[in-house]
Amino acid sequence: GAVVSQHPSWVICKSGTSVKIECRSLDFQATTMFWYRQFPKQSLMLMATSNEGSKATYEQGVEKDKFLINHASLTLSTLTVTSAHPEDSSFYICSATGQLQETQYFGPGTRLLVL
Amino acid sequence: AQKITQTQPGMFVQEKEAVTLDCTYDTSDQSYGLFWYKQPSSGEMIFLIYQGSYDEQNATEGRYSLNFQKARKSANLVISASQLGDSAMYFCAMSPQGAQKLVFGQGTRLTINP
Repeated sequence: GAVVSQHPSWVICKSGTSVKIECRSLDFQATTMFWYRQFPKQSLMLMATSNEGSKATYEQGVEKDKFLINHASLTLSTLTVTSAHPEDSSFYICSATGQLQETQYFGPGTRLLVL
Repeated sequence: AQKITQTQPGMFVQEKEAVTLDCTYDTSDQSYGLFWYKQPSSGEMIFLIYQGSYDEQNATEGRYSLNFQKARKSANLVISASQLGDSAMYFCAMSPQGAQKLVFGQGTRLTINP
């Protein structure tokens, strides 16, 4: 149980385009989903927390107009990187937790390369 | 603010030996959770073990155990009988009181030698 999927696993795009990443909880209802960013050889940095049906809460320093998060259902959250630039290239990973869960379960991550 | 410190950037261990990965934390919260995750080269984050701050017993999950010393604010991960497949990055993390978000340490890269 507690499986989280992410799609796509890899994306390469041109500078200026927008990229959407999906995060799905496959076997539980995710009341809360989290989006993290990880640069090579570094730790995970929380970008935002999203609760189903409400606006995401962004961490300090994260541009909410740049990284649009939608949590429209209890099994799906999306992260859209708008007008992507090379400095947005990174590993993006989501996690989800249910109402009674202490533990966050992570998706497999999405590697974004902006050319 | 909460902070997690992992002082070992890299560890090298012989197969079948036990290994301890260090983790210390700083918080003023009375209630919090401590987690360990494994990240292989594929990038996925695999949940290993959880310890609540009020749990009196150290958490164990198979070959993983968490050596929780609350007074010292440490939550070391012990892997018994290490295997080649244990080679990966290991992250210690904490969830502050009243929040589900995780604060991660910088990680320890564990390499198991045959």
